[in-house]
Amino acid sequence: LAKTTQPISMDSYEGQEVNITCSHNNIATNDYITWYQQFPSQGPRFIIQGYKTKVTNEVASLFIPADRKSSTLSLPRVSLSDTAVYYCLVGDSGGGYQKVTFGIGTKLQVIP
Amino acid sequence: NAGVTQTPKFRVLKTGQSMTLLCAQDMNHEYMYWYRQDPGMGLRLIHYSVGEGTTAKGEVPDGYNVSRLKKQNFLLGLESAAPSQTSVYFCASSPSANTGELFFGEGSRLTVL
Repeated sequence: LAKTTQPISMDSYEGQEVNITCSHNNIATNDYITWYQQFPSQGPRFIIQGYKTKVTNEVASLFIPADRKSSTLSLPRVSLSDTAVYYCLVGDSGGGYQKVTFGIGTKLQVIP
Repeated sequence: NAGVTQTPKFRVLKTGQSMTLLCAQDMNHEYMYWYRQDPGMGLRLIHYSVGEGTTAKGEVPDGYNVSRLKKQNFLLGLESAAPSQTSVYFCASSPSANTGELFFGEGSRLTVL
C-alpha cells in the first residue's frame, strides 16, 4: 500500500492561500490521489481527486507533478470555516476503498 | 437527501455488553465500510462489504462482526464490548464505479465503561 506523509498541522491567516503537500514516493501506476476534509464531530468529506497534472473544482486545486511522488492541495483565500483536518489518500479506489488507507491528516487552523 | 445515516449517534456500554450500530444509505451504493477513529490514529477500516450478502475483514476486525443482508444496510456488532472499543465509528459507502468517492455518515460515539 502506498504510504503518505503530510504535515501534522498548519496555521494560516484568513484570506491567504494554503498549500498542503503530501508525499507518496511509492505510488503505483493505477493509484489516484484523493483528498478529504473532516470537521470536528463529522465524517470526512471528499474534496478533490486527481491522477496527474492539475485538477480544479469549486473548492480546491490539486497539483500533481510528472513523477507523481507528491501532490499539493491548494485552498484559495481560506476562511475560518476551512479549519479542519485534511487527509491525503493514495490508492486504486476503482473497485472499492478497502485498500486505501487514511493517515492522521493535516490539522489546518485558520486564524482571524 | 439523507445520504448515509448512522444510528445511534451516542451510546454508553458496560464492559461485556453487546450492541449493534446500524448504517443505512439511500444512494444504491455497492460498497459499504465501517471505520473507527481514535485520537492520533486517523481512520482505520474495521470491515467492509462489496455488495449485498458479502462482508470482509479490514485492518482492525477483531471484536466486531458485520452483516449486509440488504444492500442499503450495513450493521456493525460488538458481541462483548471492551474499553478498547471506546471510539467514534464512521460508516461510509461508495459506488462501484472507478475512482469513486466515499460518502460518510456523521459518526457514532461509543463509550465502553
